[in-house]
Amino acid sequence: DIQMTQSPSSLSASVGDRVTITCQASQDISTNLNWYQQKPGKAPKLLIYDASNLKTGVPSRFSGSGSGTDFTFTISSLQPEDIATFYCQQYENFPPTFGGGTKVEIK
Amino acid sequence: EVQLLESGGGLAQPGGSLRLSCAASGFTFRSYAMSWVRQAPGKGLDWVSAITGSGGSTYYADSVKGRFTISRDNSKNTLYLQMNNLRAEDTAVYYCAKDRGLLLRGFDPWGQGTLVTVSS
Repeated sequence: DIQMTQSPSSLSASVGDRVTITCQASQDISTNLNWYQQKPGKAPKLLIYDASNLKTGVPSRFSGSGSGTDFTFTISSLQPEDIATFYCQQYENFPPTFGGGTKVEIK
Repeated sequence: EVQLLESGGGLAQPGGSLRLSCAASGFTFRSYAMSWVRQAPGKGLDWVSAITGSGGSTYYADSVKGRFTISRDNSKNTLYLQMNNLRAEDTAVYYCAKDRGLLLRGFDPWGQGTLVTVSS
């Protein structure tokens, strides 16, 4: 199975800060990567697909980039409603696998 | 609006069984593959099983292969997960999710989840 390693596992930032999360795959996954947001007590929601495509309706402060083994998820200006855990997920190979998650909190 | 509503979770004893259901609405159910993804308490996400739109092909994580069976009834717009020989490590919230497009290319949207607790 492809291992997905996210870092950091948690972070604390101020409203308005730029937040960056990285996701590293154990082998080349091209751009076959999604990002999800899971708010406390809620189901995950897809934010970004194919590494850099923003799902319709998702605020433009969210973005993704990368290819191969190294990927980045960015919140350009952190808002209070962005408090959540974010997960990357690869679909290059079966089975689909998720990163361990990054918990984002407000400082 | 796409809606997915899981049911059937609860308490089961080790070695016991449960059947989860996921009622779908707001899209052409038979046209999409569906998956189950679980989340153990305080842990991350773990894909469990998937089924093609026709139901003709099924896929399982190694951890549940031989114990869980995914199925669907396209006449009822409902997805199922039959879970047998349950173990303590199967304790989790189980989400059903619609495949984003082609099989297993992502999950969107997800249901609200149903909690399965395996304990004596």
